[in-house]
Amino acid sequence: AQTVTQSQPEMSVQEAETVTLSCTYDTSENNYYLFWYKQPPSRQMILVIRQEAYKQQNATENRFSVNFQKAAKSFSLKISDSQLGDTAMYFCAFMKGGVGTNAGKSTFGDGTTLTVKP
Amino acid sequence: SAVISQKPSRDICQRGTSLTIQCQVDSQVTMMFWYRQQPGQSLTLIATANQGSEATYESGFVIDKFPISRPNLTFSTLTVSNMSPEDSSIYLCSLWDYGYTFGSGTRLTVV
Repeated sequence: AQTVTQSQPEMSVQEAETVTLSCTYDTSENNYYLFWYKQPPSRQMILVIRQEAYKQQNATENRFSVNFQKAAKSFSLKISDSQLGDTAMYFCAFMKGGVGTNAGKSTFGDGTTLTVKP
Repeated sequence: SAVISQKPSRDICQRGTSLTIQCQVDSQVTMMFWYRQQPGQSLTLIATANQGSEATYESGFVIDKFPISRPNLTFSTLTVSNMSPEDSSIYLCSLWDYGYTFGSGTRLTVV
C-alpha cells in the first residue's frame, strides 16, 4: 500500500517570499503520478501541479514548482512570490497509473496549512 | 477539463435519516470517485464508481451504509444512510481527468 507523509502540519510565510512544503511517499510502483492540491476555506479542491513519475524534469506552473526526487521518494512544492490568496491547506497525493488493481486511486497526505502573512 | 456540479453544498440532518448527494459532470467520464474528509483531516476514498457496474468500496466502507449509483457516464449519487453524528464530514466526488477534478463538496452535519 502507498503512504504519503507531509511532515509540516502548519507553515507560514510573508507575502512575496518563497516557501517550500515537504512531501515524501512510499511505493513499490514504477508507474504513478504525484499531485499537489490546494484547499482554501471554501473547501474546493484545486489541482496545483502534477508530476508523472517517468519524467525527470520537474513540473512548473507559474509560481509553483516541484522538486521531484524519485530515488528519495520526495516531492516538495515551492511557492514563489507568495500571495495572500495562497493561504490554504495543501495536500500531496499519490496515484497509481496504468490499469489493474488500484489504478486511478489516490492516497492523500494529511495536509499542510499554509498561511501567507501581509 | 471537466466540470463537476455537486449538490447540496451543505445540509444539517437528523440522526437516523439518509442524505443523497449528487454529482453531475459536463462530459462523459468512465471512473468517478467518492471521498470523505472528516473535520481537519485528509481525504479518504470511500468507493470507485464505474458506469454499469457495482461500485468498489474501500476497506471500512460498505454498500449498505454508502450506496452509490452510477446510471450513466455523467452522473453519480452517494447516499449516506442511517446517519449518526460520526458521519459529519465533507463528502466530495471526483473524476480522473489527468489530475483529479473535484466537486465543490457537501458539508454534512448530523445532529
